[in-house]
Amino acid sequence: AQSVAQPEDQVNVAEGNPLTVKCTYSVSGNPYLFWYVQYPNRGLQFLLKYITGDNLVKGSYGFEAEFNKSQTSFHLKKPSALVSDSALYFCAVRDDAGNMLTFGGGTRLMVKP
Amino acid sequence: DAGVIQSPRHEVTEMGQEVTLRCKPISGHNSLFWYRQTMMRGLELLIYFNNNVPIDDSGMPEDRFSAKMPNASFSTLKIQPSEPRDSAVYFCASSLQGALGYTFGSGTRLTVV
Repeated sequence: AQSVAQPEDQVNVAEGNPLTVKCTYSVSGNPYLFWYVQYPNRGLQFLLKYITGDNLVKGSYGFEAEFNKSQTSFHLKKPSALVSDSALYFCAVRDDAGNMLTFGGGTRLMVKP
Repeated sequence: DAGVIQSPRHEVTEMGQEVTLRCKPISGHNSLFWYRQTMMRGLELLIYFNNNVPIDDSGMPEDRFSAKMPNASFSTLKIQPSEPRDSAVYFCASSLQGALGYTFGSGTRLTVV
């Protein structure tokens, strides 16, 4: 069975500061890892993914995520937060044999001016 | 590409009434997923279709819930009879089996009074 943990329900950051949203995973095979963002009254939107290769993945809106196999983590980062980054962020994982994504519980990011 | 299309966007109904939510997946996608999102329980997978066939319906909460996919371009999620605790946002997502991520619709906000 595969699982995802997002240990923080909410992350508060001041605008202009770096942000990190944490994610750890458990999967039997090679992991495929994803981050999605949900703005108010909208569906989930794809941000970035890790499949293979460079452990640092760059995605939309200046976000990036670092795959760490030894720590089974895939933390989402951004060097300088914007108020408009305030949203709900979901980490997801699937293994290389399956089709099902397993989502974490979500982390609400609040960026204050 | 219009993306995953869900209708209606909002539905308010009285307890005991039948509710039908609709989803049109992205053309060419052969996997379809129904999710429910609430504050209390987060994002829950209800049912998953592959090539129009239900693969995993273990997330369907009760017999009051049923889902169909009569063809590759249309799916419905029906609740009969509806109850106030069914109030949530229901999302449909589609993907190409073996592909890497999902595309989500904008959701249907259901309120049962």
